[in-house]
Amino acid sequence: SQQGEEDPQALSIQEGENATMNCSYKTSINNLQWYRQNSGRGLVHLILIRSNEREKHSGRLRVTLDTSKKSSSLLITASRAADTASYFCATDKEGAQKLVFGQGTRLTINP
Amino acid sequence: SAVISQKPSRDICQRGTSLTIQCQVDSQVTMMFWYRQQPGQSLTLIATANQGSEATYESGFVIDKFPISRPNLTFSTLTVSNMSPEDSSIYLCSVGSTDTQYFGPGTRLTVL
Repeated sequence: SQQGEEDPQALSIQEGENATMNCSYKTSINNLQWYRQNSGRGLVHLILIRSNEREKHSGRLRVTLDTSKKSSSLLITASRAADTASYFCATDKEGAQKLVFGQGTRLTINP
Repeated sequence: SAVISQKPSRDICQRGTSLTIQCQVDSQVTMMFWYRQQPGQSLTLIATANQGSEATYESGFVIDKFPISRPNLTFSTLTVSNMSPEDSSIYLCSVGSTDTQYFGPGTRLTVL
């Protein structure tokens, strides 16, 4: 079964607003990653946060990780129409050389 | 980073037929991954393909249905056999590690 669960499933906001997506997982991890997928195409890696990190920034992206709650959040600030996409979290299981993807959040930025 | 191409980009197939999807990487890689993404769903790992050895399949996926070849360090194929409408999905290959994976553009398969 999928390890990552995300909410909300869909999010629609106005351009310029901030978008926050959440991800929860079930087992111990080495790291957690966020990916973006535009219109059912290939996924693009956005950011990785390791299990010993609590927060990470990359441009307009801010990721937090709370290993005690087994959850992560992705914040996109000052959203743009081009941010419209589906966003997935992915976790690796300790000891396993593979990723498990969450259900994803479909983000729509309205102009 | 790695640049990955997939062929075909999309196809419409008849029930009972088979389709082979190709994945080409611009550099040599040890592990390649094949995922399925059913309509409106997330990605599910089908199998991991290492060059020179049998692919390792995830629970729910079997070699007879999804045979995989990995003839060299830059190429792999996934065959979807004896297709049914339930196989309609996007199939994606990826390479990398558990730190970062690079994905191909996907193959959108529709089975009638």
